[in-house]
This record gives sequence, C-alpha cells and structure tokens, in this order.
Amino acid sequence: GENVEQHPSTLSVQEGDSAVIKCTYSDSASNYFPWYKQELGKRPQLIIDIRSNVGEKKDQRIAVTLNKTAKHFSLHITETQPEDSAVYFCAANDYKLSFGAGTTVTVRA
Amino acid sequence: KAGVTQTPRYLIKTRGQQVTLSCSPISGHRSVSWYQQTPGQGLQFLFEYFSETQRNKGNFPGRFSGRQFSNSRSEMNVSTLELGDSALYLCASSELQGGKDEQFFGPGTRLTVL
Repeated sequence: GENVEQHPSTLSVQEGDSAVIKCTYSDSASNYFPWYKQELGKRPQLIIDIRSNVGEKKDQRIAVTLNKTAKHFSLHITETQPEDSAVYFCAANDYKLSFGAGTTVTVRA
Repeated sequence: KAGVTQTPRYLIKTRGQQVTLSCSPISGHRSVSWYQQTPGQGLQFLFEYFSETQRNKGNFPGRFSGRQFSNSRSEMNVSTLELGDSALYLCASSELQGGKDEQFFGPGTRLTVL
C-alpha cells in the first residue's frame, strides 16, 4: 500500500518568512495529493490539492508542487502569519487516502 | 449545506467494553471514511463505506467494524476495548470513493479507555 513520509515534524518560522513542508510517496499509481490544515482542537480542513497531471498549483499565499518522477510533493506558505500556526498533513491516494504524520508549524510574531 | 456531524463528541469507557460511534455525512455524499488520530501518528485509515458497502479497510484488528445505512449515515463499532484504543476518531465524507476528491471531516469523537 501507499506510504507517505512527511518532513519536518516541527517547523518554527518568523512571521513574514516562508515555510516549506515536503512529502514523499511510494505508489506511482497515486494521482491525488491534498494538504490538510488542523488547528488545535479543530477538524482537519483541505487547504489545497493537486492532481498528477499538474506540476504546480497556487492559491494566494499557498502553493503546492508535485514531482511525479521523484514521487515527492511540497507545500509552500509565503508571508506567514500567526493564523498559519497549525498542524499540516499531506496525503496521497491509491485506493484510499494515506496521510503523512503531520508537521506542526509555529509562526513567531 | 450542513457539515459532517459526529456523535457523541466525548466518550469514556473501561477496558473490555464496546462502543459505537456515529457519523452523518454531508447531504449527497455517499462515501464515509473513518480515521483514528493519535498524537504523533497522524491519521490512520480504518475503513471506507460507499453505498452501504465496505470498499476498503486499513490495518486494524477485527475488533473495529462499521456499517453504513441507506441514508449514508455510518456507524463504527469497537469491541473489547483496549487502553491503546484511546484516540480521536474522525469520519470524513466525500462524493467519490477511494480518496479521489476532497474529504470533509467531522469534529471527531474523543474516546478515552480507562
């Protein structure tokens, strides 16, 4: 089955700086790669996703890149703000969604 | 549309007991997936139901089971509870099966096993 690895496990950035989270997957058949944000005590919510026929996608301060050959994808957050502090999960699908272990992002004011 | 709802929100049980959790998906969504979330472990896939049939199952023992009703509401049952079953149980609904589109999560049920 699909195995998703996510790095780093924790990330502390100064407000206004960029944050990058990287994930690798194992199943070359996976074709959908969403990113979820989970604030403390709340449910995970989709923030951006990308499909295997696209290499990059951007939504305001958030962007995701996908390298199918290397089987890795990354989340980029620019101009970080305190409300970006949360746990971020990457995921990949084979017959189900497999999630990475999560990255705790802390934005320092 | 109303979001995904889960009941109860909190449960305290003792070892050996059984528990049933409920999930109501977004109207029109036929897929319901269940996940176990523990600190440091991310979200572990339990199973997915689509049109009342279990479509996929994760690597959990047979003590974990579920079902889905004709209105797409789903229940998850855990029998013979163990201390290690303490976790946040999340359900998520989507239009497509197999994790192919956005999953909308419920608020979760926090299960504590004493």
